[in-house]
Amino acid sequence: SQELEQSPQSLIVQEGKNLTINCTSSKTLYGLYWYKQKYGEGLIFLMMLQKGGEEKSHEKITAKLDEKKQQSSLHITASQPSHAGIYLCGASDNYGQNFVFGPGTRLSVLP
Amino acid sequence: DTGVSQDPRHKITKRGQNVTFRCDPISEHNRLYWYRQTLGQGPEFLTYFQNEAQLEKSRLLSDRFSAERPKGSFSTLEIQRTEQGDSAMYLCASSFSRGVPEQYFGPGTRLTVT
Repeated sequence: SQELEQSPQSLIVQEGKNLTINCTSSKTLYGLYWYKQKYGEGLIFLMMLQKGGEEKSHEKITAKLDEKKQQSSLHITASQPSHAGIYLCGASDNYGQNFVFGPGTRLSVLP
Repeated sequence: DTGVSQDPRHKITKRGQNVTFRCDPISEHNRLYWYRQTLGQGPEFLTYFQNEAQLEKSRLLSDRFSAERPKGSFSTLEIQRTEQGDSAMYLCASSFSRGVPEQYFGPGTRLTVT
């Protein structure tokens, strides 16, 4: 079965700094999703990537999927306290099934 | 209605009691998923429905767990004879079924078994 690893496990940055979170899969990724979760709440969909080399941006968050489709990165530019939370990557097979999540990266942004 | 809703948001129960949670998906979505999340971990898949059909169940879903989606709209997840290890956040999500769809999550139901 597919497994996802995330690094780092946690991250503390000063407001205004850039940061990157990585997600690595044991198998080829057909659908790679990034979600954000505030403590004790549901997941908020950020972006989905499907094609090797694909890159998407929304506001100050950019996600990339490598050419081999086994690694994705999430980059936040000029971080703000509102970016704080747990970032989770998730993946599905090519039918949108067998959904698995990584363990999450906890981000804290110090004002 | 613009999102997935779950009820209740919090549930405290004594060991051995039965509990039932409800999920109302986004109305146009025909897929509905249940996940369990414990502290510090990512969500773990439990089961999913396409319309009213339950298409997949995780081995995590023991005989004490049952899920239904009788009319292909809302779904219920029941846990019988709760154990302390069942304490977790139970998340529901919904999606379209075509292609590789993104899932939209509800706020979750936090279960505490004392």
